[in-house]
Parts: sequence; structure tokens; C-alpha cells
Amino acid sequence: EPEVTQTPSHQVTQMGQEVILRCVPISNHLYFYWYRQILGQKVEFLVSFYNNEISEKSEIFDDQFSVERPDGSNFTLKIRSTKLEDSAMYFCASSEAGNREGNTEAFFGQGTRLTVV
Amino acid sequence: AQSVTQLGSHVSVSEGALVLLRCNYSSSVPPYLFWYVQYPNQGLQLLLKYTSAATLVKGINGFEAEFKKSETSFHLTKPSAHMSDAAEYFCAVSRSGGYQKVTFGIGTKLQVIP
Repeated sequence: EPEVTQTPSHQVTQMGQEVILRCVPISNHLYFYWYRQILGQKVEFLVSFYNNEISEKSEIFDDQFSVERPDGSNFTLKIRSTKLEDSAMYFCASSEAGNREGNTEAFFGQGTRLTVV
Repeated sequence: AQSVTQLGSHVSVSEGALVLLRCNYSSSVPPYLFWYVQYPNQGLQLLLKYTSAATLVKGINGFEAEFKKSETSFHLTKPSAHMSDAAEYFCAVSRSGGYQKVTFGIGTKLQVIP
């Protein structure tokens, strides 16, 4: 069964450093998403990406964050200068385009746990 | 805008007892509804989904949920709790179509007492 894969599963970084979280969405999917879950809290939407541009972003997704699809398979989330409060689990997801009624859903990766020290 | 409300951040049941986790949704368009389970330090696993077909949806591990439009509810049930069901459960909503931005509830931690 196709799946969304994320690497690394766990990353530790020093405050102020740049991090790049990587995701490989399902191959025929055209919408891509990043979500964040701070420990003990709910999963929050960060950003969606379609046709090589951001289609929607939340207020959390400030200038410190950026997303990119550098090639045909990867989808990355970059945090330019990490802060302690960026420590969280980051989930990537992808979904098909189109309107196949009843068959569209977002598929989530297993997440990358980012720890900022 | 879409949202879900999960009633009860913590629920405790005895092993073998009925599990009932409550979720109410708000959506201005016909929703898709989901239940996800998350075990400690792990990712999200889809338990079941409602996408406008049958209102009673069966999922993995013996869970099911019923979409009730009149009550704007999508409660999750399991007839008999097992120790392995102890986890956090998230109700979530999206809309139909390819763009599947998902809005999650705050989560309900299920404790199963032996």
C-alpha cells in the first residue's frame, strides 16, 4: 500500500539552527500538507501546497517557515532559526486532486519529532 | 470554517466495557469525518472515515462510528474495550474533494482499567 514517508524520525537541533524536515508524498498525489503537534496538544495545520505554491497557511506558519518541492518526489519544511517552542512532532500529509467522491482523504506520514535544545 | 469538539479529554473504562468517545462537528459544507488513534510517541493511524456513503462506518480494531447529521455528531464506539485500546483518539473533519485540509479535535485519552 502506498504511504507517505518522513525522514528523519527524530531530530535534535540547537536553538537558532536551521532544520529541514523531509517528506516523500504518495506518488500520484498533488496536494501536500504540513501539520504540527506540540507535546500533549492537538494536531495543528501549518500549510498546504499545490501546483508548486502555497495554497493556504495558518498563522503559525510565519517567516521562519518555508516549504519546497525541490524535485518530483520530495516535499520539505524548513525552519530557518529554530526556537525552543518549535519542539514538536511534525506530520506531512498528501492527497489526490480531483473529486472522486468518497475516495479522497489525506494520508499522513509517521512524523518527525523535532527537539530544539 | 470547520471544527470538531471532543467531549472529555480523558475517558476511563474497564476492560470489556463499552467504549464511547464523543465528537461533534461544525461545517458549512458536507463534511468528511475521521477518527485517528495515536499511541505514545507514535504517528497518527486512521481508524475509520465517513465520506458521505454509509452513515455507520466500521473501522479497524472493532471500532465503529455513526454519522448523525441531525445531531452533528460522529461518536466513536467499541462494544468491549481491550487493554491495547489505551491511546489518544482524535476526531477530525475535512471537506469533500481533492483538497483535504484536516481540522483536528483536541483529542481524548482513553484509559482502560484491568
